Amino acid sequence: DGGITQSPKYLFRKEGQNVTLSCEQNLNHDAMYWYRQDPGQGLRLIYYSQIVNDFQKGDIAEGYSVSREKKESFPLTVTSAQKNPTAFYLCASSWALSSYEQYFGPGTRLTVT
Amino acid sequence: QQQVKQSPQSLIVQKGGIPIINCAYENTAFDYFPWYQQFPGKGPALLIAIRPDVSEKKEGRFTISFNKSAKQFSLHIMDSQPGDSATYFCAASMDSNYQLIWGAGTKLIIKP
Repeated sequence: DGGITQSPKYLFRKEGQNVTLSCEQNLNHDAMYWYRQDPGQGLRLIYYSQIVNDFQKGDIAEGYSVSREKKESFPLTVTSAQKNPTAFYLCASSWALSSYEQYFGPGTRLTVT
Repeated sequence: QQQVKQSPQSLIVQKGGIPIINCAYENTAFDYFPWYQQFPGKGPALLIAIRPDVSEKKEGRFTISFNKSAKQFSLHIMDSQPGDSATYFCAASMDSNYQLIWGAGTKLIIKP
């Protein structure tokens, strides 16, 4: 059963703590993405990766970091420098950066208090 | 110029009606216009997409209408069902920059 898994579904953290969100795909896709979704807004791109060991900043990368050590994994760290981290985070993948169709995971809802 | 403006923000339609969601863009370099459907607590999923060389595309009960001169495109859902209740996002992209630019979303409720 191919797809994208994100864990955990809900995550709670205290302000000032870093937190890492997991994203794993078994679709053999080269490209992976992280988006942030806030109520009443479209998806905003945080980071994307075209291939292993390569990643690029999206529109709202400040306060976030990523790694791409394996093709199937693209974890996102929300650092304490992110001023408003509470949001719904979505991971996606596609065959290549030039492939327009993106496949999304179920998301992680992060709450920071 | 990179924005995609989506309307309405929310929409309530009776079962069997035809909800219409509209999107407008400014950048004429956009050449791919997808619609994604998102159910609560889930990630979006591609519903249907169109390129500007056609004015209409149908897939089942879902139709995209595209007006290149007006720089607008819309999603129509024929014979809408309560199971179509979801948030719908339009987006746009171009070959020179594969990043998807997303509309703000429309929360659609189909009443039984």
